Amino acid sequence: KNEVEQSPQNLTAQEGEFITINCSYSVGISALHWLQQHPGGGIVSLFMLSSGKKKHGRLIATINIQEKHSSLHITASHPRDSAVYICAVETSGSRLTFGEGTQLTVNP
Amino acid sequence: DTEVTQTPKHLVMGMTNKKSLKCEQHMGHRAMYWYKQKAKKPPELMFVYSYEKLSINESVPSRFSPECPNSSLLNLHLHALQPEDSALYLCASKRQGGFQETQYFGPGTRLLVL
Repeated sequence: KNEVEQSPQNLTAQEGEFITINCSYSVGISALHWLQQHPGGGIVSLFMLSSGKKKHGRLIATINIQEKHSSLHITASHPRDSAVYICAVETSGSRLTFGEGTQLTVNP
Repeated sequence: DTEVTQTPKHLVMGMTNKKSLKCEQHMGHRAMYWYKQKAKKPPELMFVYSYEKLSINESVPSRFSPECPNSSLLNLHLHALQPEDSALYLCASKRQGGFQETQYFGPGTRLLVL
């Protein structure tokens, strides 16, 4: 079993829909990161969370430390949101352990 | 300037070639990382430099040789690679390499070994 599990693996939505991507982890962490990777390859850091909730534009990330679970929400989704979303947790030595990623496709 | 740059963007090399990948950041970050990413897989950590010293080597084969000439620059020297080394190579940096710091990633070098 991976230390970081993401669901779903693939997600297709219509423009405007509300999207949720989930991340569960099984180890002690100091922080959880949500990353976005577009087909070109570059990775962008969206959020770093150690507790509670953060919001940036149409993106919202939450974390429940007791339940070892985090969610990434996208409101009013748009085709430009199509990307791979990766959950990563900080463990010992501040290294990142990555989930397998969620491929999101938003159709117009 | 919150950018990590990587050159070249694409590289094709034969198994007997020697080439280098370059990564640069001017954010004053003191921790720099090399990752390897195969298609449809998450990045795999290869090396970490902290204050220009190699602090983590994830048992990477010696045909990959990292170098950190100064605090802004990170190189990855490649020699006698195998076709299975074809992948996207990502560089990243963090402010000090501690906990709860954002990692800034470069756009990557897409490597094809023939």
